[in-house]
Amino acid sequence: NAGVMQNPRHLVRRRGQEARLRCSPMKGHSHVYWYRQLPEEGLKFMVYLQKENIIDESGMPKERFSAEFPKEGPSILRIQQVVRGDSAAYFCASSPLRTGARGAFFGQGTRLTVV
Amino acid sequence: KNEVEQSPQNLTAQEGEFITINCSYSVGISALHWLQQHPGGGIVSLFMLSSGKKKHGRLIATINIQEKHSSLHITASHPRDSAVYICAVYYLTQGGSEKLVFGKGTKLTVNP
Repeated sequence: NAGVMQNPRHLVRRRGQEARLRCSPMKGHSHVYWYRQLPEEGLKFMVYLQKENIIDESGMPKERFSAEFPKEGPSILRIQQVVRGDSAAYFCASSPLRTGARGAFFGQGTRLTVV
Repeated sequence: KNEVEQSPQNLTAQEGEFITINCSYSVGISALHWLQQHPGGGIVSLFMLSSGKKKHGRLIATINIQEKHSSLHITASHPRDSAVYICAVYYLTQGGSEKLVFGKGTKLTVNP
């Protein structure tokens, strides 16, 4: 049973480009959480999704950021028109329905660098 | 003021030393999580606690709910323990779901 898979591990984008970060949850997990870790800062919650539903997006910036978790395929965190301040490590975690957030396993993260 | 405070921020030790990392929180919680992050690496769960004490190998985690404080101890530290240790607390939102709030982490370096 593979763990939570995130790709790419490292992503470099120029200012104004789009960044797409993918997260494949563990087999049998229906909940996905995205967190952002800014340099010298702690992890911050961004969004919580279940299949085809956004449950809580209170941590998402109001503009340029969106997330989805389709019925088939990975969860995608999309950042449009990236700026330097978006450079960070983005972590995904997944959990099964019965445990919620406290049963979550983390992925290796995607390190986004905006140049 | 952060809801989850860790101390120290940085810690350097010699191999074999006993290590303590502290976590204080201000929100009412349902559980507390200790996580480990290696440089450039992913995040690994070490412990989840809602009361008392847990032990796994050389790692011990304790929590005092009344004092809103948890500690992570490493006995006989080793250079491979060098990592960032993150305290995170679960609390129930008004909507009834659980959310994680993270400390900024403690960077531990164990020298041979």
